[in-house]
Amino acid sequence: DGGITQSPKYLFRKEGQNVTLSCEQNLNHDAMYWYRQDPGQGLRLIYYSQIVNDFQKGDIAEGYSVSREKKESFPLTVTSAQKNPTAFYLCASSIGGKRGSTGELFFGEGSRLTVL
Amino acid sequence: EDQVTQSPEALRLQEGESSSLNCSYTVSGLRGLFWYRQDPGKGPEFLFTLYSAGEEKEKERLKATLTKKESFLHITAPKPEDSATYLCAVQKLSGGYNKLIFGAGTRLAVHP
Repeated sequence: DGGITQSPKYLFRKEGQNVTLSCEQNLNHDAMYWYRQDPGQGLRLIYYSQIVNDFQKGDIAEGYSVSREKKESFPLTVTSAQKNPTAFYLCASSIGGKRGSTGELFFGEGSRLTVL
Repeated sequence: EDQVTQSPEALRLQEGESSSLNCSYTVSGLRGLFWYRQDPGKGPEFLFTLYSAGEEKEKERLKATLTKKESFLHITAPKPEDSATYLCAVQKLSGGYNKLIFGAGTRLAVHP
């Protein structure tokens, strides 16, 4: 079945450590995204990529980094520079239009990161 | 400033009690409005896309409508399995990219 796989589902991190969240899709989508979800707030865009080897900062990119070496994969690294990393992280993909997403996103199941 | 506001924040219904969720927006250059359903601890699941005022879309007990300033998600005769958080998102062109702006969602609980 086609879909998006995020791992790990739960992750605990000590302050000062970098962690990498995995996101893999087999939908053959060009565009991929990372969102952060906090209680009482809408999803906020961290990074997006419309094509392999290219990515752009979203609204809250500080303290995060990504890579897009393969069409199927878009890992997110939460660095020690991120001041408040505890959150639910969602990876998504979509068919890439001329100007990016059609708006119909397919989401993974999410990764919950807790900083101890 | 672009803004998407959903109301109410939480809604409790009895099974069979119809109601509506609201999504109001102030966005220049709207390219589309999207509704998603999110179950606890899961990623959102796409429901509907609306592009122009007056447009309506239906799926089972759900019907989404759009005006120039807001969208409604009508739930007719809900069942407990309709319990979820419903997210609204609007799309606009920003920096050459179709950007999605999400609301905070409405948590719906349907009790038998």
